[in-house]
Amino acid sequence: AQKVTQAQTEISVVEKEDVTLDCVYETRDTTYYLFWYKQPPSGELVFLIRRNSFDEQNEISGRYSWNFQKSTSSFNFTITASQVVDSAVYFCALILGYNFNKFYFGSGTKLNVKP
Amino acid sequence: ETGVTQSPTHLIKTRGQQVTLRCSSQSGHNTVSWYQQALGQGPQFIFQYYREEENGRGNFPPRFSGLQFPNYSSELNVNALELDDSALYLCASSLTRGGTNTGELFFGEGSRLTVL
Repeated sequence: AQKVTQAQTEISVVEKEDVTLDCVYETRDTTYYLFWYKQPPSGELVFLIRRNSFDEQNEISGRYSWNFQKSTSSFNFTITASQVVDSAVYFCALILGYNFNKFYFGSGTKLNVKP
Repeated sequence: ETGVTQSPTHLIKTRGQQVTLRCSSQSGHNTVSWYQQALGQGPQFIFQYYREEENGRGNFPPRFSGLQFPNYSSELNVNALELDDSALYLCASSLTRGGTNTGELFFGEGSRLTVL
């Protein structure tokens, strides 16, 4: 079975705090993609990062960083020095299939950044 | 470069009716996938279209069907609407090269369907 778990339903932090959003996935496939998307109140999901299953190198992009660990089936997302504009729902997603044509999203973590 | 556009943005139907939702893909993209997002939940994959054919499907009944047109735009049709079909329906476009989807999805803002 394929599954993506985001155990944190909602997180509240104060601006400038660091915050980590957890994502645990489950699959028997050896080839897959993992993604993070941001969904602001407008509803449109915004792509943040893609990582394939063969690339465990961590990535940093500005205030965002991602930690991919196959040993624990986790793909966690950290925002450093959070800002109010980071307030949104964040989704972790797993993409599988012969042609990467099966998509599984977690239930999302709502991040509230207070000034 | 135009983004993904969906129509209508909001609509209200009654149980048993049929609905058609439309999606125009981002310029340069040849693949469209559809998702149902209930309130407070993550998007649930309905299906994906490539080369005008369905090439991937989630756990949704046959009354959810779709089309893709030569210009890569797409429609989602839902027959015999049920109350539980009330949700935000998201369309995403992506690029398939050599038969493999790149996996990078670009989403529209969605169509919010209410079934009474």
